[in-house]
Amino acid sequence: GAVVSQHPSRVICKSGTSVKIECRSLDFQATTMFWYRQFPKKSLMLMATSNEGSKATYEQGVEKDKFLINHASLTLSTLTVTSAHPEDSSFYICSARVLIADSYNEQFFGPGTRLTVL
Amino acid sequence: KNEVEQSPQNLTAQEGEFITINCSYSVGISALHWLQQHPGGGIVSLFMLSSGKKKHGRLIATINIQEKHSSLHITASHPRDSAVYICAVRFTGNQFYFGTGTSLTVIP
Repeated sequence: GAVVSQHPSRVICKSGTSVKIECRSLDFQATTMFWYRQFPKKSLMLMATSNEGSKATYEQGVEKDKFLINHASLTLSTLTVTSAHPEDSSFYICSARVLIADSYNEQFFGPGTRLTVL
Repeated sequence: KNEVEQSPQNLTAQEGEFITINCSYSVGISALHWLQQHPGGGIVSLFMLSSGKKKHGRLIATINIQEKHSSLHITASHPRDSAVYICAVRFTGNQFYFGTGTSLTVIP
């Protein structure tokens, strides 16, 4: 099956710094990439939808200036958490959607990045 | 309102037991995913369904569009099946919603 990678897998940073997380589709081109966050023992929450070459669409309540998304190519999307605070500590997961056939697409998930802000 | 409900929330089974996890949703969908999340957090997509039934190894997923219900079955469960199983639904408006997950523990 298709593989989606994330880097880094874990990151610890100081409050006030910015952290960049990369999401790559390794063996396919993704029409769309999604970013999610997950709090402990909670379900995933969709943060934003990202299409290559266009601005990301953010879900209600997600600050676009706080969580910067850049979708530079069909295989790479980045999420930058700017001026991180302890409440941003979470598990961030990306997924990539690929068009298999007419109107049929599949979504593949990355392994996630655990962010801890001290 | 788009809703996805899973049951049970927690499940403990003896090795070898047949396991069923259920997912119900409120409105029309274009696809339903079953995901497996391991203790470290990594997520694996098990199935994507829009109708009928799919089987992969010991895992079987079914969906009933009319009843707005899907089930994930695990036959001959094994301790390595211990994980959180998440139902994710893409509604026809293209929004993706997740169930709260079912935490499965299989005891040797």
